[in-house]
Amino acid sequence: GAGVSQTPSNKVTEKGKYVELRCDPISGHTALYWYRQSLGQGPEFLIYFQGTGAADDSGLPNDRFFAVRPEGSVSTLKIQRTERGDSAVYLCASSQFAWGLNTEAFFGQGTRLTVV
Amino acid sequence: GNSVTQMEGPVTLSEEAFLTINCTYTATGYPSLFWYVQYPGEGLQLLLKATKADDKGSNKGFEATYRKETTSFHLEKGSVQVSDSAVYFCASYSGGYQKVTFGIGTKLQVIP
Repeated sequence: GAGVSQTPSNKVTEKGKYVELRCDPISGHTALYWYRQSLGQGPEFLIYFQGTGAADDSGLPNDRFFAVRPEGSVSTLKIQRTERGDSAVYLCASSQFAWGLNTEAFFGQGTRLTVV
Repeated sequence: GNSVTQMEGPVTLSEEAFLTINCTYTATGYPSLFWYVQYPGEGLQLLLKATKADDKGSNKGFEATYRKETTSFHLEKGSVQVSDSAVYFCASYSGGYQKVTFGIGTKLQVIP
């Protein structure tokens, strides 16, 4: 597609439920990033994929959070036993190579997750 | 790791006013610095960047100069327009971390 696509755009779930958030990166982009943006805060890094593998998952807050990218394109962020504190906008970005000095990352519009 | 501190908003200006949004950084070594913008209903977009000290990034009338001595990267525009209303994020990148660290964002509202 023309840009990074995230689905759903909005998700409301009950506390304790399981959710999956999907990211379709720009075709051909090898690097994919997940960020979380809580209300009044800047985006916070969660995980970075290079191809199919998670090159850096140091930002995942706990073991309830998991992400996959099995074919090196679409990625799914999975949250188990959701808590109200998980409510945030989850952002996905992709770049042709690793995000750095000369490689720009492109962001999707995000998925707004609300846990009630 | 890196961190970025930017002024809290919201900032409300009249059209054609001068804009400054302050940003300072802490990092080991010399990071690359960015300003991202998020227009209402849209994703984050790169506005400008600077990769070394004294570099000036510029785009769409916005400018920011990488100041090593003050560890700052303030965003400026001489004459804002209503269409500049958005949230602006200062960010830094250091090689080896493979990720960008963002500030909290500053909401700018420009009124006619």
